[in-house]
Amino acid sequence: KAGVTQTPRYLIKTRGQQVTLSCSPISGHRSVSWYQQTPGQGLQFLFEYFSETQRNKGNFPGRFSGRQFSNSRSEMNVSTLELGDSALYLCASSPQGWGSGKNIQYFGAGTRLSVL
Amino acid sequence: DQQVKQNSPSLSVQEGRISILNCDYTNSMFDYFLWYKKYPAEGPTFLISISSIKDKNEDGRFTVFLNKSAKHLSLHIVPSQPGDSAVYFCAASPPLTQNSGYALNFGKGTSLLVTP
Repeated sequence: KAGVTQTPRYLIKTRGQQVTLSCSPISGHRSVSWYQQTPGQGLQFLFEYFSETQRNKGNFPGRFSGRQFSNSRSEMNVSTLELGDSALYLCASSPQGWGSGKNIQYFGAGTRLSVL
Repeated sequence: DQQVKQNSPSLSVQEGRISILNCDYTNSMFDYFLWYKKYPAEGPTFLISISSIKDKNEDGRFTVFLNKSAKHLSLHIVPSQPGDSAVYFCAASPPLTQNSGYALNFGKGTSLLVTP
């Protein structure tokens, strides 16, 4: 079974631009989550989508948004980029599940975004 | 605020010895705990998990211990191998419900170096 696929792997943008990152989850997984990893803050949760609906959202400004398509693929968008948005953006997928504690997330390799 | 803390940024251990990585959490609602391993330029890889109804879980060379009263968990690797050299992240999750969605809270990681 193919793992979580993120594209592109690397991206360079300038301040003020916007960017869209893509994530294809593991086949059969319906939940997709996004995380931002920076050296100072570690991995921070951005948002989670399930069946095209955002179920959970972290503490990030509205410039960060996402969506999920009917095939469970997901995109995240960052508008009006700032230097501080330079980070590794990780996507993770999970099979549907609740209450059982089986909330294991499987991660892609990430997209490295550099904002100049 | 950081609800999951890994207070040791780095750890160096000789090959064949035991590696002990520690993690503390503050949110008593967390009921599921996970350890991930991360190599440079790759996404985190799920290693082992434990539910709050248990105090120990083993998988080969890896054992996770949970002390709920102390809000502390630890990962033991025995014996340590050079290939175990990576950054290890501790993560925690509150109970998963149909509407709550996945949202893992991560520590900032401990970089483990296993020397021959």
